[in-house]
Order: sequence, then structure tokens, then C-alpha cells
Amino acid sequence: GENVEQHPSTLSVQEGDSAVIKCTYSDSASNYFPWYKQELGKRPQLIIDIRSNVGEKKDQRIAVTLNKTAKHFSLHITETQPEDSAVYFCAASNQFYFGTGTSLTVIP
Amino acid sequence: GAVVSQHPSRVICKSGTSVKIECRSLDFQATTMFWYRQFPKQSLMLMATSNEGSKATYEQGVEKDKFLINHASLTLSTLTVTSAHPEDSSFYICSAPHRAGQGGDLTKTQYFGPGTRLLVL
Repeated sequence: GENVEQHPSTLSVQEGDSAVIKCTYSDSASNYFPWYKQELGKRPQLIIDIRSNVGEKKDQRIAVTLNKTAKHFSLHITETQPEDSAVYFCAASNQFYFGTGTSLTVIP
Repeated sequence: GAVVSQHPSRVICKSGTSVKIECRSLDFQATTMFWYRQFPKQSLMLMATSNEGSKATYEQGVEKDKFLINHASLTLSTLTVTSAHPEDSSFYICSAPHRAGQGGDLTKTQYFGPGTRLLVL
């Protein structure tokens, strides 16, 4: 089955700086890569996703890049704001196995 | 969009009792639902896959006799923590996949319930 690894586990950035979270996957057949955001005490929610036929997708301040050859994909958050503080999870293809999560703290 | 509810949101029970958690897809049918356990600021650990009309599939290390799963209908899955102990205290969350795309896009997005916080005294 798919094995998803996520780094870093914790990340602190100053408000306004960028944050990057990276995930690697094992199954070369995986073709869908979503990212979820979970605020404290709330349910995870999909924030952006990418399919294997594109290398990058952007939605305002967040973007996801995919390198199929290296089997990794990354979440990029620019101009971070305190409300971006949350735990972020990646998943690959079948989506029910998640990465280990990244706790992002944006320092005002 | 698709909505998944979960009940109760919070439960406190005595050690040795059983607790039932319900997960419902409110506006779509889900032949499959997933149950996760989550510790503070940590990832979602898949416990089991709930399959409508058949037995659940448990992940390695998850005791099927302790965490009973029943998927009785296309909109309801239940997780029963039997003979709960303090170490079972955790945040339990369910999810159901639902197709969000159009046309030939069969990709399904996971929709999560709000979670149940279990505290066993």
C-alpha cells in the first residue's frame, strides 16, 4: 500500500514569511494528492489538491507542487498569517492514509 | 457540500464501560467510512475501514474486539469502544469519501466528522 511521509513535524515562521511542507510517497501509481488543514479542536478540511497531470496548482496564498519523478509534493503558504496556524496533513491517491502531520505556528 | 456528522461530540465515562460513537453522512451515501484516532497535534491514525454490509477492515495493532464497528446503512457507521480504559482516551474522528468532481473525474474527497473527544476516568 501507499506510504506517505511528511516533513517537518513542526514549523514556526514569522508572520509574513513563507512556509513549506513536504511529503513523499511510495506508490508511483498514485495520481491525486490532497492537503488538509486542521485547526485546533476542529475537523480536517481540504484546502488544495493536485492531480498527477500537472506540476503546480495555486490558490491565492497557497500552492502545491508535484514532482512525480522524485515522488514528492509540497505545500507552499506565502505571506503567512496567524490564522494559518494549524496542523496540515497530506495524503496520496487513496487518501485514507495521511502523512504524519505538520504543526504550523505563525508568530505575529 | 457534503456533510458528515458525528455524535456525541464529547463523552466522559467510567473505566470498564462501553461507548458508542455514531458517524453519519447527511447528504450523500457512503459505502465506506474511515475511523481515525488522533492525539493532540499529531496525525490521524487510521484504525479501521468501515464497509457497508460487510465486516470492517482493521489496521495492524487495532483490536477488533475492543473497537467494534458496524456499518448498518449507507449513511451510518458506528464505533463502539468496549470496556474502555483510560488509555483509550483520545479524539476519535470519522470520514467518508464523496465524489466531488464532474464528468469522468472519479476522485473522491474525504469529508470528516467533527470528532468525538473521549475521556475515560
